[in-house]
Amino acid sequence: DAGVIQSPRHEVTEMGQEVTLRCKPISGHDYLFWYRQTMMRGLELLIYFNNNVPIDDSGMPEDRFSAKMPNASFSTLKIQPSEPRDSAVYFCASRAWRDADTQYFGPGTRLTVL
Amino acid sequence: AQKITQTQPGMFVQEKEAVTLDCTYDTSDQSYGLFWYKQPSSGEMIFLIYQGSYDEQNATEGRYSLNFQKARKSANLVISASQLGDSAMYFCAMREGTKTSYDKVIFGPGTSLSVIP
Repeated sequence: DAGVIQSPRHEVTEMGQEVTLRCKPISGHDYLFWYRQTMMRGLELLIYFNNNVPIDDSGMPEDRFSAKMPNASFSTLKIQPSEPRDSAVYFCASRAWRDADTQYFGPGTRLTVL
Repeated sequence: AQKITQTQPGMFVQEKEAVTLDCTYDTSDQSYGLFWYKQPSSGEMIFLIYQGSYDEQNATEGRYSLNFQKARKSANLVISASQLGDSAMYFCAMREGTKTSYDKVIFGPGTSLSVIP
């Protein structure tokens, strides 16, 4: 299997611009997670989906952030408008329902907002 | 309140020696899971080992073992025979077993391990 795929790997944008991060989970995985990693706050869960339905979005920092999962093989995390404090590495992870012990992480997207 | 505590921001170990990375956790749930992940400088998160709260034996995966002390709420990672490629950040994480938070995994702040030749 190809593993979790994220794109782009690096994104540099200017404050106020819309940013869309993409994730393709491992085929057959029922759960998808979006995390953000910063030096100050460490690794934080933003939102997770089960069978394409958002289950918990309590970690989404504010209304500028939104996430969708239109089908089992694709999810997006959108920031509009972006701000410099959104600069971070954003990880997507997935797991199968029968394998609660392991989340498989993608390579991450390093976002820089100038 | 901090759920996962890793008190060692940075650690050094001589190549081929064993090293223990500390992790303590806080939960009132009876059912939970504990994880360790490795993050090398390239940035990816690599799953290392898992311990369930009801598992009687300490988990082992190759050179990695988890020293689980339930009463102390500690889940230390032991790496035997350290290799240069073990230099990385190591994160302890916990999945709580309540119905509404079952799928949430909370990560600790991490410990940076440097293996010295």
